[in-house]
Amino acid sequence: GAVVSQHPSWVICKSGTSVKIECRSLDFQATTMFWYRQFPKQSLMLMATSNEGSKATYEQGVEKDKFLINHASLTLSTLTVTSAHPEDSSFYICSATGTGLSGANVLTFGAGSRLTVL
Amino acid sequence: GQNIDQPTEMTATEGAIVQINCTYQTSGFNGLFWYQQHAGEAPTFLSYNVLDGLEEKGRFSSFLSRSKGYSYLLLKELQMKDSASYLCAVRDSNYQLIWGAGTKLIIKP
Repeated sequence: GAVVSQHPSWVICKSGTSVKIECRSLDFQATTMFWYRQFPKQSLMLMATSNEGSKATYEQGVEKDKFLINHASLTLSTLTVTSAHPEDSSFYICSATGTGLSGANVLTFGAGSRLTVL
Repeated sequence: GQNIDQPTEMTATEGAIVQINCTYQTSGFNGLFWYQQHAGEAPTFLSYNVLDGLEEKGRFSSFLSRSKGYSYLLLKELQMKDSASYLCAVRDSNYQLIWGAGTKLIIKP
């Protein structure tokens, strides 16, 4: 089945530093990747949608200069949290859809990355 | 506006049956999804309904009524490992996924 690998699983960083999270589709071509953020006891909040080779589309209220998304290939998308602050601490999850999937309507999620900013 | 409603929390007994309801109001409809999410983990796909009726997959079944804007997830023969949050999501006319807040299911022995 479709597999999305996301890493790191856990990251702790100091305030003001930048953190990069990678999301890879292992056995299919991810034409579209989605980045979500989830705070404790809340549902998923879509941050942005990225299509391979084009700029990401950010949801209202999400700072595109703070959350840099790159989707340079059909198997890799990255989210960089720039100048991270404690309020950016959250669970970040990527998901992907694309060609070569048996269940083309289904989103496949990465395992998530828990970011803690000190 | 677009809205997905599901109960915040439910409690059930091991071995029993539980039904988690989801009602939605969205701009168009292109399918409804149920995902399971254990604490600290990413969601995993459970079911997809785009036509009215019941989809059965092992212990889990999902029902959809498009005219009523209603779905439910039915879990049978509950096991302790079924303790998790269950997320209902609807794909709207723009193919955007609208997520419910999730239902936390607590299974008691």
